[in-house]
Amino acid sequence: AQSVSQHNHHVILSEAASLELGCNYSYGGTVNLFWYVQYPGQHLQLLLKYFSGDPLVKGIKGFEAEFIKSKFSFNLRKPSVQWSDTAEYFCAVIESSASKIIFGSGTRLSIRP
Amino acid sequence: ETGVTQTPRHLVMGMTNKKSLKCEQHLGHNAMYWYKQSAKKPLELMFVYSLEERVENNSVPSRFSPECPNSSHLFLHLHTLQPEDSALYLCASSHLNSPLHFGNGTRLTVT
Repeated sequence: AQSVSQHNHHVILSEAASLELGCNYSYGGTVNLFWYVQYPGQHLQLLLKYFSGDPLVKGIKGFEAEFIKSKFSFNLRKPSVQWSDTAEYFCAVIESSASKIIFGSGTRLSIRP
Repeated sequence: ETGVTQTPRHLVMGMTNKKSLKCEQHLGHNAMYWYKQSAKKPLELMFVYSLEERVENNSVPSRFSPECPNSSHLFLHLHTLQPEDSALYLCASSHLNSPLHFGNGTRLTVT
């Protein structure tokens, strides 16, 4: 069965530190990839998405993600985090031929001011 | 304003109660979804409606009953729930194979 793995369950960083959150998926065909963010008390929001083209995707709030097909990975990065980045981050995958989106288990990011 | 509105925001119900969660979207999307978000678990897809027809039903217990009367509205009818059903229930909408737009969720507590 297709799956999405986020190996970091809880990441704690200081402000201005660099961030990389891992995401790996198991499907071998064509996929669309997403990162969603859920700030405390708020709804899920789309951070960025990859459909095709440049594998380095720029998102909102300074986030970016790189699709590495050979590694089945779509890691999220930010060069310098802020306290306001404290949130839960979800990686998600849709097989291009399917209507179902599969989410990872999420990574909680805590930023020390 | 997310474009997807869920009511109520919070719901406390006993195990013998019957209640319904409501979701409404006016984004012109043709697919709507119910997800369950429990603590320390991945988001679980419960139901998918595409063009008002149920196209996905992920082994959800029959005490959860979805209804999609039109492309803008989605309900989740609840009856005889268990304490382990306490969770955040998220509604989402999209065009198929496009990013989802989520509502704020309904925090359900079963006592």
